[in-house]
Amino acid sequence: GAVVSQHPSWVICKSGTSVKIECRSLDFQATTMFWYRQFPKQSLMLMATSNEGSKATYEQGVEKDKFLINHASLTLSTLTVTSAHPEDSSFYICSATRTGSEQYFGPGTRLTVT
Amino acid sequence: KNEVEQSPQNLTAQEGEFITINCSYSVGISALHWLQQHPGGGIVSLFMLSSGKKKHGRLIATINIQEKHSSLHITASHPRDSAVYICAVRSFRGSQGNLIFGKGTKLSVKP
Repeated sequence: GAVVSQHPSWVICKSGTSVKIECRSLDFQATTMFWYRQFPKQSLMLMATSNEGSKATYEQGVEKDKFLINHASLTLSTLTVTSAHPEDSSFYICSATRTGSEQYFGPGTRLTVT
Repeated sequence: KNEVEQSPQNLTAQEGEFITINCSYSVGISALHWLQQHPGGGIVSLFMLSSGKKKHGRLIATINIQEKHSSLHITASHPRDSAVYICAVRSFRGSQGNLIFGKGTKLSVKP
């Protein structure tokens, strides 16, 4: 099946700093990428939908100025958590899809803000 | 009430047992996904189905659209099947990415 990678797999940062997470589709061109967040023992929640070359669409309650998404190419989307706070500590997962096909999930990035 | 309900929440089985995990949903859907999440967090998409039945190795997924119910079966279970299994639906009202996730079923298979 299609492969989606994320980098880094885990990151620890200090409160107030910014962290960038990359999501890459390795063997296909992804028309759309999605960013999810998962708190411990909770379900995944969609944060935003990202289409190449256009602005991301954020779900209600997700601050677009805090979670910056850049989808610069058909194989790369980045999520930047700006001015991170401990409450942003979570597991961030991306997925990618070609038009009409199923979603392929990345392995996730565990963010810990101290 | 959650729009996607899974049962059981936790399941412990002996190696070799036949396992069934259930998913019920209350919205109209265009597709249903079964996902596997390992302890490290990584997610693998097992199935995407909109009708009928799919089989891959020891895994079988079925869906009954009229009853709004899907099941994931694992035959001849093995300790490496231990993971959280998540049901997610794509509802008609959402974008493709707007999957609605169940809370997952934590499966432990003992040797």
